[in-house]
Amino acid sequence: GAGVSQSPSNKVTEKGKDVELRCDPISGHTALYWYRQSLGQGLEFLIYFQGNSAPDKSGLPSDRFSAERTGGSVSTLTIQRTQQEDSAVYLCASRLYRDGGAFFGQGTRLTVV
Amino acid sequence: QQQVKQSPQSLIVQKGGISIINCAYENTAFDYFPWYQQFPGKGPALLIAIRPDVSEKKEGRFTISFNKSAKQFSLHIMDSQPGDSATYFCAASIGGSNYKLTFGKGTLLTVNP
Repeated sequence: GAGVSQSPSNKVTEKGKDVELRCDPISGHTALYWYRQSLGQGLEFLIYFQGNSAPDKSGLPSDRFSAERTGGSVSTLTIQRTQQEDSAVYLCASRLYRDGGAFFGQGTRLTVV
Repeated sequence: QQQVKQSPQSLIVQKGGISIINCAYENTAFDYFPWYQQFPGKGPALLIAIRPDVSEKKEGRFTISFNKSAKQFSLHIMDSQPGDSATYFCAASIGGSNYKLTFGKGTLLTVNP
């Protein structure tokens, strides 16, 4: 596709359940980022991929959060045993090279009830 | 430790006026400075970006001014329009093996008709 695609766009889950969020980056983009944005707040860095490896996963809030990227393309962010504080918009971005812009998807709005 | 400090948190400007948003950074290894515009319910969209080898970049009504010695950069929106009302984020990234994007906390701009 032409842009970064994220799915689902909205997800409501019960506390304690696991969720998987998907990101399809722009074709050919080697760098992929996950950010989290709480209501009215800034962008909280979670993890960054270069190809399939994650040189920086320093932003993952706890061991309940994990992410993988396969084939240098699609990435999945998994949150295990969701908590209410996990409710936020999860944003994915991809980038072609270090000097280029990073392009964001529309995000997945996660609500934990 | 917040590596990119953005101000003001909110800004109200009259239509036709100039909007100015400032950012300061600490890490001198940053070498790419983009600005993003975010409308409610949407992902951030790349607006304009600059590298430290130039002091100014202009695209339409949007201008980035960059002061390397002061470690500051700013976004100027000329002839501000109500449609410019959005949240603006500055960011910075470093080259090498890890080009994570570090964001400021955002500025909510309101342009009154």
